Amino acid sequence: SQTIHQWPATLVQPVGSPLSLECTVEGTSNPNLYWYRQAAGRGLQLLFYSVGIGQISSEVPQNLSASRPQDRQFILSSKKLLLSDSGFYLCAWASGIQETQYFGPGTRLLVL
Amino acid sequence: DQQVKQNSPSLSVQEGRISILNCDYTNSMFDYFLWYKKYPAEGPTFLISISSIKDKNEDGRFTVFLNKSAKHLSLHIVPSQPGDSAVYFCAASSVQGAQKLVFGQGTRLTINP
Repeated sequence: SQTIHQWPATLVQPVGSPLSLECTVEGTSNPNLYWYRQAAGRGLQLLFYSVGIGQISSEVPQNLSASRPQDRQFILSSKKLLLSDSGFYLCAWASGIQETQYFGPGTRLLVL
Repeated sequence: DQQVKQNSPSLSVQEGRISILNCDYTNSMFDYFLWYKKYPAEGPTFLISISSIKDKNEDGRFTVFLNKSAKHLSLHIVPSQPGDSAVYFCAASSVQGAQKLVFGQGTRLTINP
């Protein structure tokens, strides 16, 4: 069966520091991968998606970037964190277009 | 522009009764709709989905209804159980692009014993 991992689970970072969140999927090949953010009291907002290695599409202009160095690995990064980057970050995968997305456990990021 | 809206931020239902969660959308290109359940500090869990070619999909205690003319979908949970207490998100996507899900703001469901 497929599983999706995210780490770390919780992260507290100072403003201006770099960020690297990792997501890996097991049990499937060539998944579509997604990064979402849930700000406090808000719904989920799609940040990036990837349909293959090295292919990244950005949904909203922001302080973050994403990379997919391997088929089942998706990384969310920032060179300098802002206070507004605080939130709950979720990685998701789907086996293809028009397929259900399945979410990881999430990473809670607090920027101080 | 909020393309998917859940106008009720919270809902309280008695155990054993029916819970009805509502969702409206504005983009007529959406053709796939999903409901997710989310506990605090956890990722959303997929519950049930429906394609735009259907108007009803049922899975155990969960039924999703889709009214395309009204651009409205609803999730019915019957009978409601205490473990159903969570935040419920509806989401929609279209065949354009890589199945980018657009989420509503969520409805917090509380089941009272």
